[in-house]
Amino acid sequence: GAVVSQHPSRVICKSGTSVKIECRSLDFQATTMFWYRQFPKKSLMLMATSNEGSKATYEQGVEKDKFLINHASLTLSTLTVTSAHPEDSSFYICSANAELAGGPVEQYFGPGTRLTVT
Amino acid sequence: AQSVAQPEDQVNVAEGNPLTVKCTYSVSGNPYLFWYVQYPNRGLQFLLKYITGDNLVKGSYGFEAEFNKSQTSFHLKKPSALVSDSALYFCAVSFSGGYNKLIFGAGTRLAVHP
Repeated sequence: GAVVSQHPSRVICKSGTSVKIECRSLDFQATTMFWYRQFPKKSLMLMATSNEGSKATYEQGVEKDKFLINHASLTLSTLTVTSAHPEDSSFYICSANAELAGGPVEQYFGPGTRLTVT
Repeated sequence: AQSVAQPEDQVNVAEGNPLTVKCTYSVSGNPYLFWYVQYPNRGLQFLLKYITGDNLVKGSYGFEAEFNKSQTSFHLKKPSALVSDSALYFCAVSFSGGYNKLIFGAGTRLAVHP
């Protein structure tokens, strides 16, 4: 199956700084990746759809200037949390669409990144 | 509006007993339905999906789910629960006709007691 990795798995930063989270498709190319945010004991909230070579599509209520998404290649999408604040602390999960040989398009999830802003 | 409901925050079951985790959906058109499992501080693992065809779908780790169009439900089931099944379970629906923009339910925590 397809593997999606995220780096770092865990990050602690100070309030006001920026943090970059990487999402990589390791053995397939992904023209579309998704970024989710998960609060403790809550469901996943779709933040944005990341399309290779074009601007990301943000969900309603998600600040574009706060959560910068760059999908510069077919295997890498990055999420940068700018000027982080404690309320940005959360578990961020990415996923990627994969159209594997002989099968339909499926969505594969990364292991998540725990962000703590102090 | 497109939505997924998981009416139970938590389901408790004794090891060896059958388990059911409920999911209902509201979506226009033909839904693509999914179940995922999440262990603490981990991403989501795919369990099974319904796209078309047989209403009973079998997935990973002995789980299965039944698509019921009239009741707009997609309940997850397992005949005999294991302690290791204890985790957070999410039902999700794709409404775009493909595999984009999954809408997730709130999640149900499954606790299997020895």
